[in-house]
Amino acid sequence: DTEVTQTPKHLVMGMTNKKSLKCEQHMGHRAMYWYKQKAKKPPELMFVYSYEKLSINESVPSRFSPECPNSSLLNLHLHALQPEDSALYLCASSQGSWVYTGELFFGEGSRLTVL
Amino acid sequence: AQSVAQPEDQVNVAEGNPLTVKCTYSVSGNPYLFWYVQYPNRGLQFLLKYITGDNLVKGSYGFEAEFNKSQTSFHLKKPSALVSDSALYFCAVRDPGSSNTGKLIFGQGTTLQVKP
Repeated sequence: DTEVTQTPKHLVMGMTNKKSLKCEQHMGHRAMYWYKQKAKKPPELMFVYSYEKLSINESVPSRFSPECPNSSLLNLHLHALQPEDSALYLCASSQGSWVYTGELFFGEGSRLTVL
Repeated sequence: AQSVAQPEDQVNVAEGNPLTVKCTYSVSGNPYLFWYVQYPNRGLQFLLKYITGDNLVKGSYGFEAEFNKSQTSFHLKKPSALVSDSALYFCAVRDPGSSNTGKLIFGQGTTLQVKP
């Protein structure tokens, strides 16, 4: 079973709604990630937090707003999304010391549908 | 530019037969290579990695991968396929430009179909 927990598993929202995706890990990891994945395609990196600071933003539109309240939690705030934003949103974590392990631990994902 | 290629969209194999899922990479410096598997409607699961050392890497669920520097390949293998191995497989390489974070460059993925 995954040790990265994402909620909700499914979310349907209109283009004017505001919603949030949540991610939690208790492995003591200090790096957390948001990925977007379309069906049968590789995940696309959106954001990376390292030691609770935003370290990578892959030119993501401002309608997606990440937040890292503490080292265990990662949120993705959604506002004024477009239908093409419908996708599986994956959270992942890794040890801050990338050199020693390297692998990412993924959650099960939140499947978002924008109407 | 750094890249990962998985030349086959789909691999079909009969249960009990050996399987190979191919991956080639192009990256500056020493590559950090990974294989992940994704079952339907699930997140990605780590299978194995190559960082340094022995070119044959053993991972979860009986999978292994062979690092070949001269051919810049990192093919995933299993001696005897199971129907439950049917899934989407991603090869990935760490972006050498990332310092203490795990920015990965993924291949396009290969669907493995194991028939009984």
